[in-house]
Amino acid sequence: QKEVEQDPGPLSVPEGAIVSLNCTYSNSAFQYFMWYRQYSRKGPELLMYTYSSGNKEDGRFTAQVDKSSKYISLFIRDSQPSDSATYLCAMRIAGANNLFFGTGTRLTVIP
Amino acid sequence: GAVVSQHPSRVICKSGTSVKIECRSLDFQATTMFWYRQFPKQSLMLMATSNEGSKATYEQGVEKDKFLINHASLTLSTLTVTSAHPEDSSFYICSASDSLSPLHFGNGTRLTVT
Repeated sequence: QKEVEQDPGPLSVPEGAIVSLNCTYSNSAFQYFMWYRQYSRKGPELLMYTYSSGNKEDGRFTAQVDKSSKYISLFIRDSQPSDSATYLCAMRIAGANNLFFGTGTRLTVIP
Repeated sequence: GAVVSQHPSRVICKSGTSVKIECRSLDFQATTMFWYRQFPKQSLMLMATSNEGSKATYEQGVEKDKFLINHASLTLSTLTVTSAHPEDSSFYICSASDSLSPLHFGNGTRLTVT
C-alpha cells in the first residue's frame, strides 16, 4: 500500500464548477499537508500549506484536513480554464523535510 | 515568497557526455535540497536528499556514481548526470527547504539525450 493515495483522474469539469480533489494516507505521523499545482513542463507550485486538522481558505481555494480519517481535500470554487493543471497532494512528518507525494490528479476546466 | 531557481530549463546532449543542472535558493538559506525525477504523466520520484556540506543520501535504485550531487553552499546545489544515455532523458526538478517552511520547487530541467 502506498503511503499516499490520490486518484490520478483525469477530471474534466465545466468552467465555474466546484472541484473537489482528495488524498488519503496511511501514516498517522504526517502533520504537515500541502497541495501543489503543476502546469505541463513546469515545477510544482505551492498552493496551500496546512498543519494538522482543520480548514484553510485562500481565495477560491480551500484545503481541508481530517486527521481522524487520514483524508485531505482541496476545493476549487468558480473553476477557471487557467486552473487546468495537475494537482499534487504532499505531506510530511514533523521535524522532517522530505515529502510524500500523491500521484497527482490531472484537471481540465472546459470553457 | 520563497524562490528556487533551476538552470538550465532545457538541455539536449549527446550520449556519453555529462550535464550539470544547478538549483539555487534565491531568498533563503536552503539547509536541505532535494532532487526529483519525473516521467510523463507520473508523480515526482525522489532521487536524493542533500544537506549543505555533507554527502547526499540517495534513494534505493539511484546510482550515485551516475547522478553526482554537490551542495557546497546554503544557496546552491548541483546535479551532474555523468555519461548520459538516452534512458536518462527525463524531467529533473529540485526543491529546497530551510526546515521552517514548506518545500518550494524549481521549474525543472528537461534533459534529452540523443
